[in-house]
Amino acid sequence: DAKTTQPNSMESNEEEPVHLPCNHSTISGTDYIHWYRQLPSQGPEYVIHGLTSNVNNRMASLAIAEDRKSSTLILHRATLRDAAVYYCILRDMYNFNKFYFGSGTKLNVKP
Amino acid sequence: DTAVSQTPKYLVTQMGNDKSIKCEQNLGHDTMYWYKQDSKKFLKIMFSYNNKELIINETVPNRFSPKSPDKAHLNLHINSLELGDSAVYFCASSQDPGYNEQFFGPGTRLTVL
Repeated sequence: DAKTTQPNSMESNEEEPVHLPCNHSTISGTDYIHWYRQLPSQGPEYVIHGLTSNVNNRMASLAIAEDRKSSTLILHRATLRDAAVYYCILRDMYNFNKFYFGSGTKLNVKP
Repeated sequence: DTAVSQTPKYLVTQMGNDKSIKCEQNLGHDTMYWYKQDSKKFLKIMFSYNNKELIINETVPNRFSPKSPDKAHLNLHINSLELGDSAVYFCASSQDPGYNEQFFGPGTRLTVL
């Protein structure tokens, strides 16, 4: 199973951009890169996903390296509500039941 | 309106008991899932149903039996509860099995004494 590696924790100041890295050196050509986040005492929440090109949505941006061995989730202006554990996950487009959450990055946002 | 709801939110029970957790989604999705999040916060898929049919069954003890009476409901029944079953169980749904966005419920914290 393709694995992802993320820092255990990161800290950011409110209203500043946050770049959350993820390494996935064993990614296959059919793996989508997903990001979910889990706020305290809540279920995970979808953030964004991509395959090869960078992606933007109302919550965040996803920057994918050219070799696809790493990606970065970008929160453009962190708010206190963004404090959560962020999970980077690989999901095979043809074997979609392989959907494993790693240990994630705990983001702390300081006022 | 809550998109994916679970009951109960908390469940405390003795070892050896049988318990059920219920899940309902009002999103009109075809696919539903059960996940287990252990004390180290690792989240692992257990089961997935598509149109009331089992499509994913990860390595889970057969004491765990999912039941889907209709597309909107996926219940989890656990027999002979063990200490190691203590965890937070999350239900989720998605439009179809291959759809990228899954919607999660608030979780059920199960404590086995």
